[in-house]
Amino acid sequence: QFQLVQSGTEVKKPGASVKVSCKTSDDNFVINYITWVRQAPGQGLEWMGWISPNNGPTNYAPKLQGRVSMTTAISTRTAYMELQSLRSDDTAVYHCATGSTVTWFDSWGQGTLVTVSS
Amino acid sequence: QSSLTQPASVSGSPGQSITLSCTGSSSDIGGFDYVSWYQQHPGKAPKVIIYDVTYRPSGVSNRFSGSKSGNTASLTISALQAEDEANYYCSSYTSAHIVLFGGGTKLTVL
Repeated sequence: QFQLVQSGTEVKKPGASVKVSCKTSDDNFVINYITWVRQAPGQGLEWMGWISPNNGPTNYAPKLQGRVSMTTAISTRTAYMELQSLRSDDTAVYHCATGSTVTWFDSWGQGTLVTVSS
Repeated sequence: QSSLTQPASVSGSPGQSITLSCTGSSSDIGGFDYVSWYQQHPGKAPKVIIYDVTYRPSGVSNRFSGSKSGNTASLTISALQAEDEANYYCSSYTSAHIVLFGGGTKLTVL
């Protein structure tokens, strides 16, 4: 398991964008996958997609396609998730997670609360 | 399918065994051996306790075990302990190359 440290709480207005960062201690950052999962208040987990830092292929959840973008900075072992055109139902805790595959995730960030409110 | 189906809540007494279910379809649980289970305590990040249907990560108690039959996966917790009280989520890889989570089951230890 590896330590994943995420950026802090964000408050945004509807229509704005948010970019959450996730810095890892994983020496194998390049060959593992970074997955993003969100959890609305009192609700369950929702898979958002993944990125491979190695050459950067991505796979996004169909409902977020067009609004979400996942990137990485290999030199700083940091992953980023940007969500555009925010709506109130995007209010959630956003987690990054990592693993050697895209099917399960063994290290998780502490979560970043994003609140969308006018 | 938007999510896998889990019972909203289950309860058990200390020392008992309980089984949590997770129902999907032939496009997810039934089609792949990529079912995982996560334990989440309030205010904490999820923790994987089972992956690839039956495998336990290093450090996870052997009181947790997973299985699958057809389109339904199961998580069994034996010798229930107070610390097991948490929310449990199943997940599965799908034929659409995405991951689906279940809605979660709240386990109460009486």
